[in-house]
Amino acid sequence: QSVLTQPPSVSAAPGQKVTISCSGSSSNIGNNYVSWYQQLPGTAPKLLIYDNNKRPSGIPDRFSGSKSGTSATLGIAGLQTGDEADYYCGTWDSSLSGWVFGGGTKLTVL
Amino acid sequence: EVQLVESGGGLVKPGGSLRLSCAASGFIFSSYSMNWVRQAPGKGLEWVSSISTTSDYIYYADSVKGRFAISRDNAKNSLYLQMNSLRDDDTAVYYCARIRSYYDSSGSDYWGQGTLVTVSS
Repeated sequence: QSVLTQPPSVSAAPGQKVTISCSGSSSNIGNNYVSWYQQLPGTAPKLLIYDNNKRPSGIPDRFSGSKSGTSATLGIAGLQTGDEADYYCGTWDSSLSGWVFGGGTKLTVL
Repeated sequence: EVQLVESGGGLVKPGGSLRLSCAASGFIFSSYSMNWVRQAPGKGLEWVSSISTTSDYIYYADSVKGRFAISRDNAKNSLYLQMNSLRDDDTAVYYCARIRSYYDSSGSDYWGQGTLVTVSS
């Protein structure tokens, strides 16, 4: 299993808001920045959020990130069918001296 | 435009070797650390290895340590992954990705399209 824990799936209706959690420990989330990635079917991952809550240029403000202690959260507001994808959290683990990812969360927009 | 293009994937028998390449363009390659990340069929992302700008700092996941070797040639704007003693569970799409800033947890802001490695007899 993954070092970071995410729910396997979440779902919500178009226009609604959904949150995806990512739980870790002091060696990873607790003392490092978290980033979030969106992977649409059949494509490479895409950076959505970096440094816990910053958005790269071109990422709409419907996407937001936060961190508290050893957990992080991705929020997606105004859901669209095009948001259906797998979402991954990731960060550096200081004890492992390596990157760790969550197991991924599949978002379904009903 | 930043581009990362992987190549070198294919079918290899267990115990065999393969060398992946990642050609970078559209940015100053020598200024960025780089990652290899893989994804087994139907599975999540797994970090494989990282290399700093001048190759001074190299890290590996435990699952590949001693079998894989990451390297780079800044003059050729290229990243490599030498994979030896390949096992069935190394079967995956391998992505190269640029690390966006100087600190370890800064995230990967650009990813290649991936190259598929299949280990099977």
